[in-house]
Amino acid sequence: EAGVAQSPRYKIIEKRQSVAFWCNPISGHATLYWYQQILGQGPKLLIQFQNNGVVDDSQLPKDRFSAERLKGVDSTLKIQPAKLEDSAVYLCASSSPGPQETQYFGPGTRLLVL
Amino acid sequence: QKEVEQDPGPLSVPEGAIVSLNCTYSNSAFQYFMWYRQYSRKGPELLMYTYSSGNKEDGRFTAQVDKSSKYISLFIRDSQPSDSATYLCAMSALDGGATNKLIFGTGTLLAVQP
Repeated sequence: EAGVAQSPRYKIIEKRQSVAFWCNPISGHATLYWYQQILGQGPKLLIQFQNNGVVDDSQLPKDRFSAERLKGVDSTLKIQPAKLEDSAVYLCASSSPGPQETQYFGPGTRLLVL
Repeated sequence: QKEVEQDPGPLSVPEGAIVSLNCTYSNSAFQYFMWYRQYSRKGPELLMYTYSSGNKEDGRFTAQVDKSSKYISLFIRDSQPSDSATYLCAMSALDGGATNKLIFGTGTLLAVQP
């Protein structure tokens, strides 16, 4: 079974530029999550999708961050404009409903904002 | 006060030692408790999953949950150099359904010296 795929793996941009990350979840997983992991901290949920609908985006800075999940499969997360404090690893995870819902994480995209 | 507190370490032990990793939490609604392992430049992977209070054992790993004290632990017996990683505790109040929001600790960096 293929895992969660993310691209790019690394990205360096200057502040005020825009950037986009892509995620392909495990086949058949209806739920998709985007997390932000700042160095030395645990992952923090940014947004959760159930199929192509948003379930929780309470911690997404909506003035600069946006995300979509078209057709309930792939997802993109965009930052526009980026700030220095956005430097972090952006993790995508997916899960399928069940009595023990396990979230499977991708390798992450490491973003550095200069 | 953070919802989940975790000793950041770093923790360095000799090969074969017993390792104890701990988290405390403040939200009494948490019912599901997880330990994730994260190798450098990789996404977190689920190690142990426990519902409510009690112990769970899987090979060299034992997870303990004490809901009365709001305290969870992960024990690693006969630690190996391959166990060197960051260990993240995570908790959620719901399993499946509309939301499955995980709250992570900051992670403990473990180094097992050969």
